[in-house]
Amino acid sequence: TQLLEQSPQFLSIQEGENLTVYCNSSSVFSSLQWYRQEPGEGPVLLVTVVTGGEVKKLKRLTFQFGDARKDSSLHITAAQPGDTGLYLCAVINNYGQNFVFGPGTRLSVLP
Amino acid sequence: EPEVTQTPSHQVTQMGQEVILRCVPISNHLYFYWYRQILGQKVEFLVSFYNNEISEKSEIFDDQFSVERPDGSNFTLKIRSTKLEDSAMYFCASRGGPEAFFGQGTRLTVV
Repeated sequence: TQLLEQSPQFLSIQEGENLTVYCNSSSVFSSLQWYRQEPGEGPVLLVTVVTGGEVKKLKRLTFQFGDARKDSSLHITAAQPGDTGLYLCAVINNYGQNFVFGPGTRLSVLP
Repeated sequence: EPEVTQTPSHQVTQMGQEVILRCVPISNHLYFYWYRQILGQKVEFLVSFYNNEISEKSEIFDDQFSVERPDGSNFTLKIRSTKLEDSAMYFCASRGGPEAFFGQGTRLTVV
């Protein structure tokens, strides 16, 4: 079983629409990271959330860490074609050393 | 801004040949990772390295794979006898705190 689940797996929307993607687990984490990956490139860190219930904003992206620190959401307002990519959540596993990714949400924003 | 660098960016090799993928992590980081991503698929963990030894490895990381930190700066992944199914993007990452930073990857093509 995967430590992290992400939904939806794929999402295709029109420019200007809003969307939310989710990262879920049955485990509790001290922090959670969101990355975006574009084709042929490495994952790029977007944000780290640490406190239960924390909300962080990065321009049109809003990240929330669940109160119980088991899940997180990423909301994009007025999506643009430049938002297209693979969105990955990641955590340090309970053993404290391995850095684990979810399977990702592949977002396509059509002009 | 410090970054993780990987070389080469692209490597083509014949099946059965040995390849060495190189990474220069961020200098004050203590945890190092290799991941693999087959085209269009998820980012798969290969191995983590801490305190000059492997701390965790996945089922993918079999006897054909090895890692080294030969000189305190470089971090290498060696595949002893490449197979067609080793064709993928290989990403190196390093971590000092909760966040991991990734290189741009090496695209390995086994023919």
